Amino acid sequence: LAKTTQPISMDSYEGQEVNITCSHNNIATNDYITWYQQFPSQGPRFIIQGYKTKVTNEVASLFIPADRKSSTLSLPRVSLSDTAVYYCLVANNAGNMLTFGGGTRLMVKP
Amino acid sequence: NAGVTQTPKFQVLKTGQSMTLQCAQDMNHEYMSWYRQDPGMGLRLIHYSVGAGITDQGEVPNGYNVSRSTTEDFPLRLLSAAPSQTSVYFCASSSTSGRNEQFFGPGTRLTVL
Repeated sequence: LAKTTQPISMDSYEGQEVNITCSHNNIATNDYITWYQQFPSQGPRFIIQGYKTKVTNEVASLFIPADRKSSTLSLPRVSLSDTAVYYCLVANNAGNMLTFGGGTRLMVKP
Repeated sequence: NAGVTQTPKFQVLKTGQSMTLQCAQDMNHEYMSWYRQDPGMGLRLIHYSVGAGITDQGEVPNGYNVSRSTTEDFPLRLLSAAPSQTSVYFCASSSTSGRNEQFFGPGTRLTVL
């Protein structure tokens, strides 16, 4: 299983861009990287997924370097409602070998 | 669509008791899975299923059983509860596999005394 490591917590202010990095040094060739957001007392919610280079959707961007040993979730112009825990997930195609990071608690301040 | 539903929301058990955590989804997803979430450890895969009648073990399967008799339901059974199984349990489903977007239920908070 790929080992994933994330910072435990981060602070930011409204309107700033936030970058959260996940380290996955032993990622396998066929593994994909996914990021989830979790609010208290709720299940995680999908944010974005990628394999390599850059992926962007309406809420975030995901940057993956060529060696794929890390990935960075970028949240543009965060608001108070983005205060949550963010998890990276490395998973194989079958979904039977998957590892969540320990989560990064993001606090957005006014 | 209700999405993924889980019952109960909270449960307290005594050591040695057994119980079943219920999970259902109405999205016709083939892949379903169970995770446990412990502080600072993210989510760990307990069991998963790629379709009705097919189940397999994840990272931490000991002490848990599953079955998948229908596409919609994927119950998780604790055979003889232990304090180490105190955790928050999440059920999830995906249209294809755990690699793709998973939809999570609201969770069951279990305490074993």
